Amino acid sequence: DAGVTQSPTHLIKTRGQQVTLRCSPKSGHDTVSWYQQALGQGPQFIFQYYEEEERQRGNFPDRFSGHQFPNYSSELNVNALLLGDSALYLCASSLMGTAAHFGDGTRLSIL
Amino acid sequence: SQKIEQNSEALNIQEGKTATLTCNYTNYSPAYLQWYRQDPGRGPVFLLLIRENEKEKRKERLKVTFDTTLKQSLFHITASQPADSATYLCALDRGGYQKVTFGTGTKLQVIP
Repeated sequence: DAGVTQSPTHLIKTRGQQVTLRCSPKSGHDTVSWYQQALGQGPQFIFQYYEEEERQRGNFPDRFSGHQFPNYSSELNVNALLLGDSALYLCASSLMGTAAHFGDGTRLSIL
Repeated sequence: SQKIEQNSEALNIQEGKTATLTCNYTNYSPAYLQWYRQDPGRGPVFLLLIRENEKEKRKERLKVTFDTTLKQSLFHITASQPADSATYLCALDRGGYQKVTFGTGTKLQVIP
């Protein structure tokens, strides 16, 4: 049973560009959450998707947007990249009331 | 504003001893408190969840306590091993559809 898979594992972009990160949830999970983790910090909640709708959102600007597909997979899009967007982006999947299962993230570097 | 504090300094302990990690929070009323382990370059891995009406939870060599009056959780690893070396994150969850809020983590080093 595959766990949460994320792609790509690493990505290098330049300021002002746009990026799309992808996540496939653990089999049977219907909820996907995205987190940003800066070096030495804990994960910061970006948003959560359930039934293809954004259900909760953290304190991130509108440059961060997402989507959930009917098969529960999800994408995170970031526009107009800034140097400060360099981080590990984590996807977590869950079922209501259960603990989250995380993928190993996408390491995004902005030059 | 909400704040979650974990031991900011790394914790070094001798193999075989009990490691105790602390998670304190303010301006928050969690329904659940979770502990995760994170290894370098990997995503967090869920370890234990404790509910607001539970005082203590155990799983093998792990024990978590939750004091909603003190707004504190303690995470214990007994008979620690070098393989327990990792960063441990606490996370607060209001339940329902609420977002989960993570602390900054404590890096544990178990010395052989």
